[in-house]
Amino acid sequence: GQQLNQSPQSMFIQEGEDVSMNCTSSSIFNTWLWYKQEPGEGPVLLIALYKAGELTSNGRLTAQFGITRKDSFLNISASIPSDVGIYFCAGQPGLDKLVFGAGTILRVKS
Amino acid sequence: DTAVSQTPKYLVTQMGNDKSIKCEQNLGHDTMYWYKQDSKKFLKIMFSYNNKELIINETVPNRFSPKSPDKAHLNLHINSLELGDSAVYFCASSQGGLVSYEQYFGPGTRLTVT
Repeated sequence: GQQLNQSPQSMFIQEGEDVSMNCTSSSIFNTWLWYKQEPGEGPVLLIALYKAGELTSNGRLTAQFGITRKDSFLNISASIPSDVGIYFCAGQPGLDKLVFGAGTILRVKS
Repeated sequence: DTAVSQTPKYLVTQMGNDKSIKCEQNLGHDTMYWYKQDSKKFLKIMFSYNNKELIINETVPNRFSPKSPDKAHLNLHINSLELGDSAVYFCASSQGGLVSYEQYFGPGTRLTVT
């Protein structure tokens, strides 16, 4: 089945730094989604991408749907302590279930 | 005005018991899901229902039985619980027919089997 490779596995950054994480797939996806999960909570949808090349922002977050439709990245600018959590990419290959990446754990030093 | 709610939040039980987790969504969505998140935080879909009809059934032991009394509710019943069932179970919902994007998750139920 489809697999998503998400990197990096974890990041420990200084407050104010920019963050970048990405996901790659072995097959084409029609939709890419980015979620954030905080301890003890469910994943919360941050950004949804529907077209190859699409670049979408949500506050300090920016995500892009790769031209090849096999990858996506998420950038967070000027990180703050409340950005900590696990960030998941998820892709929809077609009329099928969502496939999730393994997550990127983000820690922020203030 | 919680969008997707689950009960209970925590569930501790012994091996061999039967337990249920309930999920409700007030978003008016047609499709609901159950996911399992393991200790490494990996999220994997278990089931999906669209308008009370089962549309996805991953390779899940038949000790797990979902039930959807109406499109706003999807419950998960687990028989003969095993140690390996310990995980966090998430309910989610989305708009539209079949499986679609923009799934909204509940807060999770942490199941611990001792």
